[in-house]
Amino acid sequence: QQQVKQSPQSLIVQKGGISIINCAYENTAFDYFPWYQQFPGKGPALLIAIRPDVSEKKEGRFTISFNKSAKQFSLHIMDSQPGDSATYFCAATTSGSARQLTFGSGTQLTVLP
Amino acid sequence: DSGVTQTPKHLITATGQRVTLRCSPRSGDLSVYWYQQSLDQGLQFLIQYYNGEERAKGNILERFSAQQFPDLHSELNLSSLELGDSALYFCASSVASGVNYEQYFGPGTRLTVT
Repeated sequence: QQQVKQSPQSLIVQKGGISIINCAYENTAFDYFPWYQQFPGKGPALLIAIRPDVSEKKEGRFTISFNKSAKQFSLHIMDSQPGDSATYFCAATTSGSARQLTFGSGTQLTVLP
Repeated sequence: DSGVTQTPKHLITATGQRVTLRCSPRSGDLSVYWYQQSLDQGLQFLIQYYNGEERAKGNILERFSAQQFPDLHSELNLSSLELGDSALYFCASSVASGVNYEQYFGPGTRLTVT
């Protein structure tokens, strides 16, 4: 059962544009929602994360929007740059002694110069 | 650089063989997670250890096992390898289980089973 659904699978944006990646989850016990960025040949790197008690979190050009009632969250990359070209994964985890991440299927972002 | 190290970087082996992947967590991190990344299954959680004890299991096959040693490094053992086990295997670490949410990933080990 896919607990975190991510779209789109791939995204092409012009330099300076806004990249938007969406995720939806099913498990209402999820209480932490990180986004990871992965470059080819590298491990995923934590980009930004949000907890469900806030609706938005911004760090530089990256913003997470969170809609608890719809069980959806999204990543917005403002002023997208060619260096942002990577695969982005949304993830979710639950409270408890274990904090394993459930990942979305990933979005391959290409920012054209 | 996340501070998590994994060896080897690449591993090529034959079906039926056994391999061991090694992970050293960031200094001070007690929790280690293993994930598998494949084209068809995406990134999937395998198993977690906290301060030497198994804390959670995910989609880990019975042919796979792991342990965390007193110095906190961890090893993932894969046996009776099949072609479908070819994947990237990532280790991640965090400060504590259930307290700090952030996980930091290593560079991964690319396993190719021929």
